[in-house]
Amino acid sequence: KQEVTQIPAALSVPEGENLVLNCSFTDSAIYNLQWFRQDPGKGLTSLLLIQSSQREQTSGRLNASLDKSSGRSTLYIAASQPGDSATYLCAVREDSSYKLIFGSGTRLLVRP
Amino acid sequence: DAGVTQSPTHLIKTRGQQVTLRCSPKSGHDTVSWYQQALGQGPQFIFQYYEEEERQRGNFPDRFSGHQFPNYSSELNVNALLLGDSALYLCASSLGHSLDTQYFGPGTRLTVL
Repeated sequence: KQEVTQIPAALSVPEGENLVLNCSFTDSAIYNLQWFRQDPGKGLTSLLLIQSSQREQTSGRLNASLDKSSGRSTLYIAASQPGDSATYLCAVREDSSYKLIFGSGTRLLVRP
Repeated sequence: DAGVTQSPTHLIKTRGQQVTLRCSPKSGHDTVSWYQQALGQGPQFIFQYYEEEERQRGNFPDRFSGHQFPNYSSELNVNALLLGDSALYLCASSLGHSLDTQYFGPGTRLTVL
């Protein structure tokens, strides 16, 4: 059974720091992996999607990497800003499945 | 271009009651998935509807049922509500033939007293 784990559960950093969020999954037979952002009480906003054949994706200050064989992904946020404060969730889609399997998220606070 | 919309925004029910939540997919999308997100947890997959049929189901009891209409909108019904059903219910839409990005709505906050 696929399990997705995110470490750390919470993170507080001063503005301007570069930071890394971690996501691990137990079964490497995934179709893709996606990173989402969720503001309190709100829906999910897709940040980056990495196909299983890709190693990384970049969007602005965000960079996500995928090491399928080791079951790991990282989300790198450069020059963090208070507006980046949110919960970040990773989710995997397995081969031959339509559902997303989520981790519990990392709650990020960027202090001014 | 309207994104995914959900109604109502908030809902309060008592144990044993029944509830219906609604979702309209993003324009051009034909597939709707429902997720339950308990406080402090990641979303859990309930089921997915495509071509008005349930295409895949997660590990939820039969109290959770759904429907998809010809215009691709969808309803989630929960019978015999339990306190543990209190959660944020998220709807996501996508294209049926694609395994790529699902677009999420703002969610419906259900509180069961």
